[in-house]
Amino acid sequence: DTGVSQDPRHKITKRGQNVTFRCDPISEHNRLYWYRQTLGQGPEFLTYFQNEAQLEKSRLLSDRFSAERPKGSFSTLEIQRTEQGDSAMYLCASSQSTKGLAGGPGGGYNEQFFGPGTRLTVL
Amino acid sequence: EDQVTQSPEALRLQEGESSSLNCSYTVSGLRGLFWYRQDPGKGPEFLFTLYSAGEEKEKERLKATLTKKESFLHITAPKPEDSATYLCAVQEAGGFKTIFGAGTRLFVKA
Repeated sequence: DTGVSQDPRHKITKRGQNVTFRCDPISEHNRLYWYRQTLGQGPEFLTYFQNEAQLEKSRLLSDRFSAERPKGSFSTLEIQRTEQGDSAMYLCASSQSTKGLAGGPGGGYNEQFFGPGTRLTVL
Repeated sequence: EDQVTQSPEALRLQEGESSSLNCSYTVSGLRGLFWYRQDPGKGPEFLFTLYSAGEEKEKERLKATLTKKESFLHITAPKPEDSATYLCAVQEAGGFKTIFGAGTRLFVKA
């Protein structure tokens, strides 16, 4: 499979608990993005990595959120002390920074390819 | 601050009835403008990237165009399977933070 994968697909937790999500990008992609999406809205940028470096983080992102990409491959997003307002779909996307083969996942310049998302419900 | 506004919020078409979706953007300098399609419960699916005013891209019944302030997604003779939410996004020159609009929900009736 050459697509972006995310785990778990669904997570139900109680308020105050910590949760961690994982994203595995397309193998040759060096950029990885995290987004949050609520019903009826477009994806909201959270943060992005180039290789293992976290280059930008949304100013709106609470200190309860942290993301890592330790070896420049998979990434994790942790939410500490979850709140009901954290309920959303968490999307991961990857892209490559150089021109690649035309067409198909991983081809082209800077296009982001998304995973299926992790749906978080905080009770 | 970068902004992306999509209109209309929802669009209902009969099969074969062509129309256009609008994406207006405010950004200091544009690195790229992207169009995505999203089906319910799924991640967005990449459609097009546009880099400079005057550029056009086509794929099947879809055609995307770009000016200095807005982009249009033209849908020619749509089919029911084109029903989805269409998202527009921009990246500002100098970085890779991506700002999405709220999307246009397209319904195509047979």
